[in-house]
Amino acid sequence: SQQGEEDPQALSIQEGENATMNCSYKTSINNLQWYRQNSGRGLVHLILIRSNEREKHSGRLRVTLDTSKKSSSLLITASRAADTASYFCATGFGGSNYKLTFGKGTLLTVNP
Amino acid sequence: SQTIHQWPATLVQPVGSPLSLECTVEGTSNPNLYWYRQAAGRGLQLLFYSVGIGQISSEVPQNLSASRPQDRQFILSSKKLLLSDSGFYLCAWSVQRTFQHFGSGTRLTVV
Repeated sequence: SQQGEEDPQALSIQEGENATMNCSYKTSINNLQWYRQNSGRGLVHLILIRSNEREKHSGRLRVTLDTSKKSSSLLITASRAADTASYFCATGFGGSNYKLTFGKGTLLTVNP
Repeated sequence: SQTIHQWPATLVQPVGSPLSLECTVEGTSNPNLYWYRQAAGRGLQLLFYSVGIGQISSEVPQNLSASRPQDRQFILSSKKLLLSDSGFYLCAWSVQRTFQHFGSGTRLTVV
């Protein structure tokens, strides 16, 4: 079954504004990851946060993880038109059979 | 540096024809390999994953199969394509329990 669910499904903002996307999941995880996908392309990894971490930063990206609520958020600050893409959260679980389960994604449109 | 190659980029195949999509990884050894399918406007569905040569795990019963004949080669196949096999197919690799690196994808249209 689908593990991660992003919210909102679509988000449209103006350049310079901040964009926040949320992800909820259902079971225990080893880590949670965020990916970006430009239309018709493969996914690109943005950031990984482990289950024992609460917050992580990378450039204009900030990710939080609340394991008690089984939720995560991705904040993109000072958005640019080039940030327009779909953003997916993926939850990782397992040992030798480790794999990711992806949500359906949030389509972010940044208007110039 | 590590790279992943996936081909072809687009493919139009008639119903009932065979399929072979290939994915190769360079610059790493014994990676975990994955095949995903993405329907339009949807998330990724894991089809197969492999932790070693000849080791294939299937996630979803379907008209497809996968093989790993070499350490860094992963092949997705079908003997007879169905219309429902249309979609965007993505190959990915990872090492240990980290993030995945994706290929550029194959857009398959079955007509």
